[in-house]
Amino acid sequence: DGGITQSPKYLFRKEGQNVTLSCEQNLNHDAMYWYRQDPGQGLRLIYYSQIVNDFQKGDIAEGYSVSREKKESFPLTVTSAQKNPTAFYLCASSAQGTGNYGYTFGSGTRLTVV
Amino acid sequence: GENVEQHPSTLSVQEGDSAVIKCTYSDSASNYFPWYKQELGKGPQLIIDIRSNVGEKKDQRIAVTLNKTAKHFSLHITETQPEDSAVYFCAVIKAAGNKLTFGGGTRVLVKP
Repeated sequence: DGGITQSPKYLFRKEGQNVTLSCEQNLNHDAMYWYRQDPGQGLRLIYYSQIVNDFQKGDIAEGYSVSREKKESFPLTVTSAQKNPTAFYLCASSAQGTGNYGYTFGSGTRLTVV
Repeated sequence: GENVEQHPSTLSVQEGDSAVIKCTYSDSASNYFPWYKQELGKGPQLIIDIRSNVGEKKDQRIAVTLNKTAKHFSLHITETQPEDSAVYFCAVIKAAGNKLTFGGGTRVLVKP
């Protein structure tokens, strides 16, 4: 089955540590996205990539970094510069140029600072 | 940029009643309007979508209506069931750019 996989499901970070969240898709989608969701809140865009080796900042990119070396993979690093990283992180992907604009979301990673 | 407002933020209905969620958007060039359902601890799932050349679309108990002149679209859930309890998000997109703008979400609670 095609889909988008996020790992781990739960992640704990100590103060001052960098952590990397994994996102892999086998849908052959060109575009991938990272969102942050705080309790009871909507989705805020962190970074997105429309093609391999290219990515753009979203609305809340400070304290985060990404890479897009492969079409299938779009890992997100939460750096120590992100002062309030505890949140639910969602990865999504979409096809480009086909008229199909819908996003497919992963099941999320819940990050907690300890 | 695009602005999407979603109302209400919470909605409580009795099982069997209907639920309606409304979204308004600002960019008249927007032409694709999906709705997502997010259950607790999971990622959002697409439940229905509509394009700008269509005024209404139905899929069993759910329907979406679009008024392009007024720049608003609505999700209608009929004969609600407890499993409809979730957070629902609307979104909009223009043909170019392919980046969805989401509404703030509606928490729906269906009481048995």
